Amino acid sequence: EPEVTQTPSHQVTQMGQEVILRCVPISNHLYFYWYRQILGQKVEFLVSFYNNEISEKSEIFDDQFSVERPDGSNFTLKIRSTKLEDSAMYFCASGSVAQHFGDGTRLSIL
Amino acid sequence: GIQVEQSPPDLILQEGANSTLRCNFSDSVNNLQWFHQNPWGQLINLFYIPSGTKQNGRLSATTVATERYSLLYISSSQTTDSGVYFCAVLQGATDSWGKLQFGAGTQVVVTP
Repeated sequence: EPEVTQTPSHQVTQMGQEVILRCVPISNHLYFYWYRQILGQKVEFLVSFYNNEISEKSEIFDDQFSVERPDGSNFTLKIRSTKLEDSAMYFCASGSVAQHFGDGTRLSIL
Repeated sequence: GIQVEQSPPDLILQEGANSTLRCNFSDSVNNLQWFHQNPWGQLINLFYIPSGTKQNGRLSATTVATERYSLLYISSSQTTDSGVYFCAVLQGATDSWGKLQFGAGTQVVVTP
């Protein structure tokens, strides 16, 4: 069964640095998403992406964040000037109706 | 926005027991999914079930959209069923895609 793949599985970064989280969605899916989950909390929506543009974003998704689909297969989330509170599990999802989630990237900001 | 409430928040089961998890939502939905988050943090799709009943092995789910709730049944529980179960909904009357709103989850512990 096709899967959403995310890399890296774990990222440790110094505060203030930039990170790029990578995702390869399922190939025939049209809609792509990023969610995050702070430890012990529920999963929160960050942004949705369709037809090469952002279709919706949450209040969390401010100017610090950006998304890109650089080559037709990868889907990336960039976080600039990382803060301690950005530490979380970040999930990529893709789907047409049901959403399929990757295994997540655990981001730790030191 | 739509509110999603799950109950109970915590559940301790002895291996072999059956249980029911509940998800209530405050508005009409186009999509409802149940996920299992295992101890490694992976979110595993269990069901896509905006309405009706589905079964997959020892798990089954029912959504009564008109009454705004969904139930997840776990039968003959096993220790591998431990983890957090999330309900997530897509609000709306027309679109079948968009942001999922997650509930707070039910933490399930199955003891040998």
